[in-house]
Amino acid sequence: RKEVEQDPGPFNVPEGATVAFNCTYSNSASQSFFWYRQDCRKEPKLLMSVYSSGNEDGRFTAQLNRASQYISLLIRDSKLSDSATYLCVCLSGTYKYIFGTGTRLKVLA
Amino acid sequence: DAGITQSPRHKVTETGTPVTLRCHQTENHRYMYWYRQDPGHGLRLIHYSYGVKDTDKGEVSDGYSVSRSKTEDFLLTLESATSSQTSVYFCAISESLQGAGEAFFGQGTRLTVV
Repeated sequence: RKEVEQDPGPFNVPEGATVAFNCTYSNSASQSFFWYRQDCRKEPKLLMSVYSSGNEDGRFTAQLNRASQYISLLIRDSKLSDSATYLCVCLSGTYKYIFGTGTRLKVLA
Repeated sequence: DAGITQSPRHKVTETGTPVTLRCHQTENHRYMYWYRQDPGHGLRLIHYSYGVKDTDKGEVSDGYSVSRSKTEDFLLTLESATSSQTSVYFCAISESLQGAGEAFFGQGTRLTVV
């Protein structure tokens, strides 16, 4: 079983739609959580950190459920430019980042 | 964008030859990492460094060595390249003792071993 699991997708959604991704993690010692965005043939870029209380950044909302060990990302009012792969990342200790294999999102015109 | 530069950006090399990839940062971050990314596997840690001359192995370290003689530079060496090392290599940095511990990535190096 992978330490961080994501549905690979692709999620094909029309512009303006709301889409949600979930990610589960197995290491209960994980302390910090992140969502990264990766465009084709580019490096991962930090989208947002995920806090226990949940956090929002514009159209993006991230939530953490420690009891069930999952993280979610909600994207409202999808734009064509949101098309990318979204990586769920857990950090255990000071250096051990565990990456999910990513969820592909395609926003259709 | 975080100041991380990888070189070269692309390289084709022959099996059995040594290859060195360079990562240079201008952020003075303590931690530096080398990952490889392959389809179906996500990002996997090769080696990491927690200070000058302080390095340790990651989950896929066989066939790779690293060196960090200065805070800003982290080198990854493939002693004798094999076709299984064809991949995209990403360097990352973090300063985990502050903030939430976000990692920032270089633009990647596409390595093809023929």
